[in-house]
Amino acid sequence: DAKTTQPTSMDCAEGRAANLPCNHSTISGNEYVYWYRQIHSQGPQYIIHGLKNNETNEMASLIITEDRKSSTLILPHATLRDTAVYYCIVRDAFTGTASKLTFGTGTRLQVTL
Amino acid sequence: GAVVSQHPSRVICKSGTSVKIECRSLDFQATTMFWYRQFPKKSLMLMATSNEGSKATYEQGVEKDKFLINHASLTLSTLTVTSAHPEDSSFYICSAPTGLDHYGYTFGSGTRLTVV
Repeated sequence: DAKTTQPTSMDCAEGRAANLPCNHSTISGNEYVYWYRQIHSQGPQYIIHGLKNNETNEMASLIITEDRKSSTLILPHATLRDTAVYYCIVRDAFTGTASKLTFGTGTRLQVTL
Repeated sequence: GAVVSQHPSRVICKSGTSVKIECRSLDFQATTMFWYRQFPKKSLMLMATSNEGSKATYEQGVEKDKFLINHASLTLSTLTVTSAHPEDSSFYICSAPTGLDHYGYTFGSGTRLTVV
């Protein structure tokens, strides 16, 4: 799986949009970008994933650059409960054979009042 | 959505004893389970991959005789930490592919192991 780089930490005011960047310059054509988050002392939670088009769900939006070398996770209205470590992961699409997820260091997002 | 139930959530054991951690897939069949370990303020590190009905595959540097993995059914995988030492104290997390690309992988809630 391609390697990703993310800022170590970010702060965001409650109610504002949180924009979390991720670089994945070695991503290959069949690899998706996945985002997970881990709230303190819990297991990671799936947020969103995408291949090349921008995606949106009830939790977040994912913006992928045209060359697919980077992406941004957007939490439109951050709340205190969004304080967590956010992991950007690239991996092959599920093809019936499970491939392992490799976690980088992630971005520690602190949402403040 | 797919759920993995992990137990216990916390356990304290004495050095030299063994501890078993269970992960159950509640509404789907988990033919594969991934086991991770996480030290404070660090990222998740994959320890091993278990497949139902076959031997687990361990990552480099992980002692297979110390971390026994059993995946006897399509809904249950267990990790047993044998002869535990204080340095085994960590947060252990299991994860299974849901088979649905929409969700990717689902994770257990984790087990905080403290060896005293």
